[in-house]
Amino acid sequence: SQTIHQWPATLVQPVGSPLSLECTVEGTSNPNLYWYRQAAGRGLQLLFYSVGIGQISSEVPQNLSASRPQDRQFILSSKKLLLSDSGFYLCAWSLGQAETQYFGPGTRLLVL
Amino acid sequence: ELKVEQNPLFLSMQEGKNYTIYCNYSTTSDRLYWYRQDPGKSLESLFVLLSNGAVKQEGRLMASLDTKARLSTLHITAAVHDLSATYFCAVDTWNTGNQFYFGTGTSLTVIP
Repeated sequence: SQTIHQWPATLVQPVGSPLSLECTVEGTSNPNLYWYRQAAGRGLQLLFYSVGIGQISSEVPQNLSASRPQDRQFILSSKKLLLSDSGFYLCAWSLGQAETQYFGPGTRLLVL
Repeated sequence: ELKVEQNPLFLSMQEGKNYTIYCNYSTTSDRLYWYRQDPGKSLESLFVLLSNGAVKQEGRLMASLDTKARLSTLHITAAVHDLSATYFCAVDTWNTGNQFYFGTGTSLTVIP
């Protein structure tokens, strides 16, 4: 069966510091991968998605970036965090377009 | 831009009562997804509706899809406290790549 992992689970970072969040998927090959952000009490905002290694599509302009160095690894990064980057970051995978997306446990980020 | 609207945003209902959550979307789509999110947790897939007239049921929840009206409903029968959570619908379309567009969420509280 497939599983999706995210780490860290919780992170507190000062403004201006760098960020690296990692997401890995097990039990499947060539998944579509997604990064979402959920602000407190709000819905989900799609940040990035990837259909293959090295292929990243960005949905919103921001100071975040994503990379997919391996088939089942998706990384969310920032060089300098802003207060507005605080939120709950969720990674998801799917077998392809028009397929259910399955979500990881999430990383809760607080920027102070 | 595709818009997905849910109502109500907040719902407080007594145990044993029935209620319906509505999800309207603004463009043609044949696929709609329902998710559940418990406080502080990730999203759990509930239903996938893949065609007009599709109906899925699990336990006290039943979801349906009317693609002509661009409407999905999530019906709750004889609510119990364990159903308290936030429910999201999501839509994807052939012409928007791999994107899911999530609704704003409906926060459901079931009170004794």
